[in-house]
Amino acid sequence: DTAVSQTPKYLVTQMGNDKSIKCEQNLGHDTMYWYKQDSKKFLKIMFSYNNKELIINETVPNRFSPKSPDKAHLNLHINSLELGDSAVYFCASSRAGSSGNTIYFGEGSWLTVV
Amino acid sequence: GIQVEQSPPDLILQEGANSTLRCNFSDSVNNLQWFHQNPWGQLINLFYIPSGTKQNGRLSATTVATERYSLLYISSSQTTDSGVYFCAVNAGNMLTFGGGTRLMVKP
Repeated sequence: DTAVSQTPKYLVTQMGNDKSIKCEQNLGHDTMYWYKQDSKKFLKIMFSYNNKELIINETVPNRFSPKSPDKAHLNLHINSLELGDSAVYFCASSRAGSSGNTIYFGEGSWLTVV
Repeated sequence: GIQVEQSPPDLILQEGANSTLRCNFSDSVNNLQWFHQNPWGQLINLFYIPSGTKQNGRLSATTVATERYSLLYISSSQTTDSGVYFCAVNAGNMLTFGGGTRLMVKP
């Protein structure tokens, strides 16, 4: 069974569209994250949610809006997609906070904006 | 914020060789993890090692928290070890990644 699962795995879309990436974890973790990996492989946190509440919101355009319907799900909605949004987006989860806890990553969602 | 630097940035090995990857960080941490990103893009947990030494097969890791560094040892490397190795540390509420070491193991 996949611990952290993301869908879709691949997404190609045109500039200006709105798209969502879904994430679910079956580990019983309290905290979920979204990370972005750019073309140079650099991984940077975007958001962190603990028990459905936003904990971390790094410098990310307002076009990115996370939604956590329950603590097992953290979806990422992106409005008005731009070419620079092309990247790999990783969802992750851990027990309450990453301090002292192992973080587990999903398999990534490859987003290409054309 | 905390700075995480990994070295070397790129490494090419012949199959069977040993190697050491280094991770330096700029502040005290309460979580340190090593990941392997395989050529298919999957991020695989290797070690959770905020301090001390751990071994798992041909891989081992040592973190000296007081001196703010961690080392990942790969022995008898195999072509399947190719990919990017990331060190990530936590000094608050989020995990900060280093820039990675890109490893290529040639047959």
